[in-house]
Amino acid sequence: DIQMTQSPSTLSASVGDRVTITCRASQSISSWLAWYQQKPGKAPKLLIYKASSLESGVPSRFSGSGSGTEFTLTISSLQPDDFATYYCQQYNSYLTFGGGTKVEIK
Amino acid sequence: EVQLVESGGGLVQPGRSLRLSCAASGFTFDDYAMHWVRQAPGKGLEWVSGISWNSGSIGYADSVKGRFTISRDNAKNSLYLQMNSLRAEDTALYYCAKGDSGSYYGDYFDYWGQGTLVTVSS
Repeated sequence: DIQMTQSPSTLSASVGDRVTITCRASQSISSWLAWYQQKPGKAPKLLIYKASSLESGVPSRFSGSGSGTEFTLTISSLQPDDFATYYCQQYNSYLTFGGGTKVEIK
Repeated sequence: EVQLVESGGGLVQPGRSLRLSCAASGFTFDDYAMHWVRQAPGKGLEWVSGISWNSGSIGYADSVKGRFTISRDNAKNSLYLQMNSLRAEDTALYYCAKGDSGSYYGDYFDYWGQGTLVTVSS
């Protein structure tokens, strides 16, 4: 099974900060990676698919990059609505999620 | 508007069974794979099971293989999860999720329901 490791597990940041979250796969997954945002008490929301494709309706301050085993989700200028937990998910071989990164207010 | 509405959760004793349902609307149901994803209290997301558009391909996480059965009824735009031999570690919020393709394998989730809570406890 492919393991997905996210870092950091928690990130403290301020509004306006540039934020980067990393996701590493235990083996190559090409670009078969998605990113989700989850707020407390809510279902996850798709942000990015195929490593760098922005889902329709998602603000352009979100971007994804990477291929193979290392991927990043970047929020260019953190907004109050962005404080949430973020998950990566590989879909190269079966479907597995990373452990999540909580973005909290500094 | 895509809507996914789960039902069937509740409190159940270890070893017993429960059947979850997901009613879908707002898209052509039989064009897409569908999935169940769960989240234990305070924990991360875990893919549980997926089913292709025509039920021809089905997959399960190792943690539920042999105990859970996924199915769908395209005529009713509905997805199901039959959960047998439930364990305390199956306690979670169970989400119904729409896949982006017709195959469950190699899929991501573009729409999610709000979830139904399953609690396994004596």
